[in-house]
Amino acid sequence: NAGVTQTPKFQVLKTGQSMTLQCAQDMNHEYMSWYRQDPGMGLRLIHYSVGAGITDQGEVPNGYNVSRSTTEDFPLRLLSAAPSQTSVYFCASSYSGGQFSGANVLTFGAGSRLTVL
Amino acid sequence: GQSLEQPSEVTAVEGAIVQINCTYQTSGFYGLSWYQQHDGGAPTFLSYNALDGLEETGRFSSFLSRSDSYGYLLLQELQMKDSASYFCAVKAGTASKLTFGTGTRLQVTL
Repeated sequence: NAGVTQTPKFQVLKTGQSMTLQCAQDMNHEYMSWYRQDPGMGLRLIHYSVGAGITDQGEVPNGYNVSRSTTEDFPLRLLSAAPSQTSVYFCASSYSGGQFSGANVLTFGAGSRLTVL
Repeated sequence: GQSLEQPSEVTAVEGAIVQINCTYQTSGFYGLSWYQQHDGGAPTFLSYNALDGLEETGRFSSFLSRSDSYGYLLLQELQMKDSASYFCAVKAGTASKLTFGTGTRLQVTL
């Protein structure tokens, strides 16, 4: 099993450009999410999905779009990149579940480091 | 929304015991998780507490007090490889949504 695969690992963009960060998982996880990590800010949730066709906003959704057409894939789109979006982006997945379903352990991808000039 | 507080840095000597605290404010609390992240790497799951008390996994233990909105991660017999950042995360509200703290950087010295 590959787990959670993110591409690209590194990307440099100019302000105003658009791009898509790809995320794929092969564990048949229902839940997928995108986090950004900035120094001193921890991991902040951008968007998440509890299944194909269902997405919802996290803490910092502005400037990002997502879609979930299949169970396996959850791409993150930057519509018009800004320097404030310079960050490390992590995709993570888990089995979905309710209150008593346990930890919903997140499996993270290796991360995508994005620099916006 | 949710908020979590944990110390930004902790330093400890190899072989010692260290405790990393986490306090949280949230509604609809389900449980508290801990993740480890080495520099340049991805976070990895360590432990989860849904009920009050201590959970032990090898050298690592995690504690939760729901009434105090408080938990901690206890690392025993510290090794140099334990130098990493440690994040607490609350599972609250929407079932699978995790909100992370800002992380505690642990440095283990000789």
